[in-house]
Amino acid sequence: KAGVTQTPRYLIKTRGQQVTLSCSPISGHRSVSWYQQTPGQGLQFLFEYFSETQRNKGNFPGRFSGRQFSNSRSEMNVSTLELGDSALYLCASSHLPGTGGSSYNSPLHFGNGTRLTVT
Amino acid sequence: TQLLEQSPQFLSIQEGENLTVYCNSSSVFSSLQWYRQEPGEGPVLLVTVVTGGEVKKLKRLTFQFGDARKDSSLHITAAQPGDTGLYLCAGIRNTGNQFYFGTGTSLTVIP
Repeated sequence: KAGVTQTPRYLIKTRGQQVTLSCSPISGHRSVSWYQQTPGQGLQFLFEYFSETQRNKGNFPGRFSGRQFSNSRSEMNVSTLELGDSALYLCASSHLPGTGGSSYNSPLHFGNGTRLTVT
Repeated sequence: TQLLEQSPQFLSIQEGENLTVYCNSSSVFSSLQWYRQEPGEGPVLLVTVVTGGEVKKLKRLTFQFGDARKDSSLHITAAQPGDTGLYLCAGIRNTGNQFYFGTGTSLTVIP
């Protein structure tokens, strides 16, 4: 089956603009997570959605927001872009959301990311 | 500070050598996963370990979960250029339901 699809692959924006990134999960997967990856900070968790509800949110400012649709597709939006928002944004889908205390956690299936450059 | 610290951060070795990557934390994890990421792509799952002390082998790769479920290691035997990539550990804590990723180990295997 098709993997996780992220669009667009590359994006160049200027400071102050806003951007919307899209993620289509693997068919049947209802959990979608977003991560920001930079050379200095590594993979940082942004938020996770399951069945259209935000389950978890990382430590990012309110300029970063997301949503999930009834078909499990997800979008994330960044408003008032800053230079420091330049990064690879990765989306991951999984069959079930993570559960602390459980010995089983569905693996994450990642897309190839959207490379955002803010100038 | 990151919840999961990996070492070394960078590793450059000759083809045929052995290496070990470490993933350490002061927190207990329900399970721990290892991913490999190649340039221009997203991370791909290699293995999941769930039981303290568990050892899993994937061809030349051996993964171990610490007895206390706070740390893990990845050992590669006779490294090949195809092993080149960024290795990431990730886990969910016993309390909580968010995946935490390690700081990453960038491996280069020179032919």
